[in-house]
Amino acid sequence: GAGVSQSPSNKVTEKGKDVELRCDPISGHTALYWYRQSLGQGLEFLIYFQGNSAPDKSGLPSDRFSAERTGGSVSTLTIQRTQQEDSAVYLCASSATGVSYNEQFFGPGTRLTVL
Amino acid sequence: AQSVTQPDIHITVSEGASLELRCNYSYGATPYLFWYVQSPGQGLQLLLKYFSGDTLVQGIKGFEAEFKRSQSSFNLRKPSVHWSDAAEYFCAVGGNNDYKLSFGAGTTVTVRA
Repeated sequence: GAGVSQSPSNKVTEKGKDVELRCDPISGHTALYWYRQSLGQGLEFLIYFQGNSAPDKSGLPSDRFSAERTGGSVSTLTIQRTQQEDSAVYLCASSATGVSYNEQFFGPGTRLTVL
Repeated sequence: AQSVTQPDIHITVSEGASLELRCNYSYGATPYLFWYVQSPGQGLQLLLKYFSGDTLVQGIKGFEAEFKRSQSSFNLRKPSVHWSDAAEYFCAVGGNNDYKLSFGAGTTVTVRA
């Protein structure tokens, strides 16, 4: 069956531009997560969705970062006025429900490079 | 606060040799523990998980891990590595009714012929 998909796979942008990263979770999964993986770092939690609601946005690094989820499915992570320190791999994961004993299934990630 | 420490940034092992990756966690309640593997350009794949019961858990690809509460550890092992095991390995901790997982910084495994 289809797994988690993310687009684009790679994005190169200039400092100051806005970018949108898309995540298509596994059908029927109510929980969706965004993580950031910087070079040599582990996964940094950004935001968690349960359905279309985001009960935990605590990991978003600044107000330049925002995310939404529509129809309990697709999610978009938007970074405004990108900075070089935003360069990283952005990973999306989904799980059947929002409890940690449910396996999180990860997408392949979007590699963002800010020049 | 929950956290995970993977003390080894990089491990090199010969093909056919055994492998052990260390993971120490800090969690205020009963932990749920996970090991994920990430191959180059790929997302993370779950190798195994521990929730309760037998402290030695078996996973995919011939991996196993042992939960030791007294040492706050959840080390991953494989008796004989294959070249295809070269990847980055992440340990993670969560808990009951806790949606969030905390990940370690990862251990990169290189397999030499």
